[in-house]
Amino acid sequence: DQQVKQNSPSLSVQEGRISILNCDYTNSMFDYFLWYKKYPAEGPTFLISISSIKDKNEDGRFTVFLNKSAKHLSLHIVPSQPGDSAVYFCAASRTAGGYQKVTFGTGTKLQVIP
Amino acid sequence: EAGVTQSPTHLIKTRGQQATLRCSPISGHTSVYWYQQALGLGLQFLLWYDEGEERNRGNFPPRFSGRQFPNYSSELNVNALELEDSALYLCASSLWSLMGTGQFFGPGTRLTVL
Repeated sequence: DQQVKQNSPSLSVQEGRISILNCDYTNSMFDYFLWYKKYPAEGPTFLISISSIKDKNEDGRFTVFLNKSAKHLSLHIVPSQPGDSAVYFCAASRTAGGYQKVTFGTGTKLQVIP
Repeated sequence: EAGVTQSPTHLIKTRGQQATLRCSPISGHTSVYWYQQALGLGLQFLLWYDEGEERNRGNFPPRFSGRQFPNYSSELNVNALELEDSALYLCASSLWSLMGTGQFFGPGTRLTVL
């Protein structure tokens, strides 16, 4: 049962344009959402997060939007740069038994074309 | 400050053998997490250790086990290897909570089972 889904395995965007990466989840108990970026031969690195009580969080070129009613979140990158080319993982966490349990999506490979 | 380190980088085993993977967390982090990233799948949570104890495990058979040492480093053991165990194994560390900046990942160990 894939509770966090990234339905687009890949995405290509021109440099300077907006990249929109999408993520859907099924468990309404998730209370925190995170995005990670992964370059080849490296581990994922934390990018940006959002609490379930918010609907938007912005950090420089990166903005995450959360639509709780639709159980959907998205990551916007504006403007996109070639260095943004990587695999992006969406993750959701919930508190259970006093600790956080994190569930990751399958990832979306973003290619930014110069 | 040194990040999360993992060894070996690559590991080749044959079916039925045992594999041992190692992880050193960021200094000061007490929690270590293990994930499996098989081809086409997201990061699947394997195990979580904190303060030397196993706190939680994912939906993996008992032949996946591990431990955490007093210095907070950790070892993942996979017994009776099967072909489908071939994957990238990622270790992450954090302070007690996964919220906020999330976990910090190592570069991974690529396990190939022949």
